[in-house]
Amino acid sequence: EPEVTQTPSHQVTQMGQEVILRCVPISNHLYFYWYRQILGQKVEFLVSFYNNEISEKSEIFDDQFSVERPDGSNFTLKIRSTKLEDSAMYFCASQEWDGNEKLFFGSGTQLSVL
Amino acid sequence: GESVGLHLPTLSVQEGDNSIINCAYSNSASDYFIWYKQESGKGPQFIIDIRSNMDKRQGQRVTVLLNKTVKHLSLQIAATQPGDSAVYFCAEIQNTGNQFYFGTGTSLTVIP
Repeated sequence: EPEVTQTPSHQVTQMGQEVILRCVPISNHLYFYWYRQILGQKVEFLVSFYNNEISEKSEIFDDQFSVERPDGSNFTLKIRSTKLEDSAMYFCASQEWDGNEKLFFGSGTQLSVL
Repeated sequence: GESVGLHLPTLSVQEGDNSIINCAYSNSASDYFIWYKQESGKGPQFIIDIRSNMDKRQGQRVTVLLNKTVKHLSLQIAATQPGDSAVYFCAEIQNTGNQFYFGTGTSLTVIP
């Protein structure tokens, strides 16, 4: 069964450093998302991406965040200068088409900012 | 503001019993709902979905009920098994966009 894969599974970084979280969405999917989940809290939307551009973003997704689809398979989330409060589990998700269709999630990258 | 929330943060059931997990939503414009299961250290896993033009949908051992009048969603798991132990989230999507809103989650523990 096709799945969304994320790397790395764990990332530890120093405050102020840049991190790049990587995702390979399901191959025939067109819509891509990043969500995050702070420990013990609910899953929060960060950004959606379609046709090589951001379609929606939340208040969390400020200028420190960026997304990119550098080639036909990878989808990345970059945090330019990490803060302590960026520590969370980051989930990538993909969707075959937009609107009312289920999201498939990856297993997540646990980001720890020290 | 809009919210998706769950009535109970934890639920314990005996193996073999039926489980009911509830979810309240506040936006009447939401027209698509999904239940996700999240096991420890893993990403949310799709269980079942329902559109707002339906009030019930059944899958394998699971049933989702939607009551639009009171903005309530429930997930029923029949003959609960130890492998069902996880956190369950409801998520809604509003017809004005493609952003899913997740509830806080209910932790289901199945007692052997």
